[in-house]
Amino acid sequence: NAGVTQTPKFQVLKTGQSMTLQCAQDMNHNSMYWYRQDPGMGLRLIYYSASEGTTDKGEVPNGYNVSRLNKREFSLRLESAAPSQTSVYFCASRNPSGGIQETQYFGPGTRLLVL
Amino acid sequence: GESVGLHLPTLSVQEGDNSIINCAYSNSASDYFIWYKQESGKGPQFIIDIRSNMDKRQGQRVTVLLNKTVKHLSLQIAATQPGDSAVYFCAENSGGSNYKLTFGKGTLLTVNP
Repeated sequence: NAGVTQTPKFQVLKTGQSMTLQCAQDMNHNSMYWYRQDPGMGLRLIYYSASEGTTDKGEVPNGYNVSRLNKREFSLRLESAAPSQTSVYFCASRNPSGGIQETQYFGPGTRLLVL
Repeated sequence: GESVGLHLPTLSVQEGDNSIINCAYSNSASDYFIWYKQESGKGPQFIIDIRSNMDKRQGQRVTVLLNKTVKHLSLQIAATQPGDSAVYFCAENSGGSNYKLTFGKGTLLTVNP
């Protein structure tokens, strides 16, 4: 049981290039989330998917698109990368069926540098 | 507590002491709160959570206190160990059933041996 996995771990892009960050979870969770974390800051929500087939904007969605490919996978796409998108990106998942913990479980992150 | 810009609040304690990390949350309608620990180069790791109908919850060596009157959350770590050194974030659910979390900026805890 790997939990939440993210690829790649690290990426360098030039301004204007595109890329897709991959996220997968093996916990059979319904909800998935993408956050970005900038130096000295907490995490800010980019997009989320409450369940397979649905996606919604978070706090900072501009410049990003997402795809909930299936229940396991939730990808984040940068169509035209900008230096302001240099950040660490975290994917998370949550099981909304209740219980003691309804918290979000995070992956290890993707470190993105846009030059 | 909260910080402005790039400077995290820091707390430095001696090994074996108790640590208290504070957080002011923003939304009086938030119904669920979580403390996360983040070690360098890793993703946030769940520590403990609490619902708004409670004012205290205890885990193993950790206790979370919630004061809704002043919108304040605290994390107490008993007998702090060097392995507890990390950045600690509080998060609040102000997004209803979708659990869109809003994170604080974090507090850096350093444990001196």
